[in-house]
This record gives sequence, C-alpha cells and structure tokens, in this order.
Amino acid sequence: QSALTQPASVSGSPGQSITISCTGTSTDVGKYNLVSWYQHYPGKGPKLVIYEISKRPSGISNRFSGSKSDNTASLTISGLQAEDEANYYCCSYAGSNTLVFGGGTKLTVL
Amino acid sequence: QLQLQESGPGLVKPSETLSLTCSVSGVSVRGNNYYWGWIRQPPGKGLEWIGSVFYTGSTHYSPSLKSRVNISVDTSQSQFSLRLSSVSAADTAVYYCARFRTGSYSDFWGRGTLVTVSS
Repeated sequence: QSALTQPASVSGSPGQSITISCTGTSTDVGKYNLVSWYQHYPGKGPKLVIYEISKRPSGISNRFSGSKSDNTASLTISGLQAEDEANYYCCSYAGSNTLVFGGGTKLTVL
Repeated sequence: QLQLQESGPGLVKPSETLSLTCSVSGVSVRGNNYYWGWIRQPPGKGLEWIGSVFYTGSTHYSPSLKSRVNISVDTSQSQFSLRLSSVSAADTAVYYCARFRTGSYSDFWGRGTLVTVSS
C-alpha cells in the first residue's frame, strides 16, 4: 500500500483556476469512487473539502470541485483567493477497510 | 458542536509505547455511521492513516503499522485511544484524531498533538 502521488507544489494568481492531481493504482483510486480531499493550514486540523470524488460538504465553496479518470483523481479550485493558500491532501479507500493518503501539495497564491 | 481533543505525553523514549487519547464532545461515539480514527504527519511529510475503531470495538489498521498498533474505544468516557508499541524516531509526528463517515472519509479532525520519540 503506497502513498498516492501528488505534485509537491502548484501555484496560481488570484482569480485563476488550478488543478491538483492525485495518482494511485487500480487497487485504490481506480477501483473505488471513494476519494476525498483535505485543506490543511499549519497548526490546525485538516478540513474536508471534497468527498466521494466530487461531493462538497456543507459550507464548502462551489469553487472547489473534484473529478476522477482511471487511476487519477483531481481537485480543481476556481477563482483562486488568498485564503486558499494551504496544503492539500487526497485520500482514497484502498480496500479491506484501509485508507491511503497522498503526499500533499502546497498551493501558493501568487 | 463536535470537538475532538487529543491528549497524551509529548515525549516518548525509543522502544517504549506511545499512548494517546481523543476526547469526543458534542456527539455520541455510538453513532452507527461513524468510525473514529488516528492519522499522523511526520515533520515535513504527508499524512498517514493509522487506523480506526467502531463503537462496538471493531478495528481496522494500516498494514504497515498493524503489528504495533492498538486502537480502542471507551463509550462510557466518550473517548478513544491509540497505543503504538516499540516506537522509534520514525514515529515522531503530529498525531490527529478524527471522525470518519462510512469509514472512507473524515469530516472532522482534532487540532493534533506533537509526539517526539527521543531518549
């Protein structure tokens, strides 16, 4: 069970859109529609922004959206805002009641 | 309002057992749709799922940690606990407790607690 692969960093200017990829395998991301995404500010607990590929929890802006193609899930943030600057982690169900996280992506808003 | 609060020693000696407790307030740990779990983040690294427990005591663990981990729940105290044995410097991390919905995603996390393994 290896960690999911995410780019170490992405950046964008205010108002732009960015996409963070999360690549797994046919035994986790590719097999289950159970990918979630978390926003993490240093010193705080991570916050769920997307679950089950593309569902948004109550209170999460519709600027956040998720998708999946084969073994890769993606998180898109549109209309970038300064407050979106954070670390983002993907997570997938990996069978046998286990979960696997990605290595994390640092989003910088220029 | 749901609150999760991690507690336990911030310093553990190598080869000893790390023990943490997560106190849950604002919701019952007996919820049928919830698992309660632990995740950690070593310094400068990503998140790692450790395992989870259902209120019945049923547990699920990361394959890489399974031999050293025990997660338990105390419904009377509204808390759940993590024990990680034979720790080494590689177990130094911020440890988070969290609530999991359907066992596949976490909708609420604690703030985390740093545990350092050092003599």
